[in-house]
Amino acid sequence: AQKVTQAQTEISVVEKEDVTLDCVYETRDTTYYLFWYKQPPSGELVFLIRRNSFDEQNEISGRYSWNFQKSTSSFNFTITASQVVDSAVYFCALSEAMDSNYQLIWGAGTKLIIKP
Amino acid sequence: GAVVSQHPSRVICKSGTSVKIECRSLDFQATTMFWYRQFPKQSLMLMATSNEGSKATYEQGVEKDKFLINHASLTLSTLTVTSAHPEDSSFYICSARLWFDQPQHFGDGTRLSIL
Repeated sequence: AQKVTQAQTEISVVEKEDVTLDCVYETRDTTYYLFWYKQPPSGELVFLIRRNSFDEQNEISGRYSWNFQKSTSSFNFTITASQVVDSAVYFCALSEAMDSNYQLIWGAGTKLIIKP
Repeated sequence: GAVVSQHPSRVICKSGTSVKIECRSLDFQATTMFWYRQFPKQSLMLMATSNEGSKATYEQGVEKDKFLINHASLTLSTLTVTSAHPEDSSFYICSARLWFDQPQHFGDGTRLSIL
């Protein structure tokens, strides 16, 4: 089965709190890519990160960090010291080498609300 | 880098009108472009994949005669919604990708409202 699960439909936290968005994926492919995108209320999709299946190193970019664990098929996203501007819908996505077009398989998205 | 421009951002028109949406990669050559539709509070639904110089590949259930896609160059793809009806009202988003293992970069989307 090909599937990306974002079990958290909506998360609401107060500014400055840390928050983790979960992403669990399913694939039979050994070569695949994982992505996170942000969609603020204005609607545009902003690319945040891409990870390939052979690189399990965690990544940190400012207040953002990503934890990729193949053992649990998870690619979780943590925002440290959240800010109101982080409010958006966040999508996790998967693409696989066995798809010649490497189409993105999208999770349902997690709506993150940061309250001042 | 990796800027994708999509126009128009919003269209309101009468039923029966055909609407053309443009998607341009401004600072890179996109071997592949994608067209999505997004319903309120839902994830993105892929409509078609377009490789430059080839006919678009449509997803199951998407009418290719209704949603005409042209990918004439490495920087431009167009989606034409022919004889649009109220049920075609939606948010349409394009994306462009340089190569298969690269991320898709998205336009700002077009909000289409058919009266």
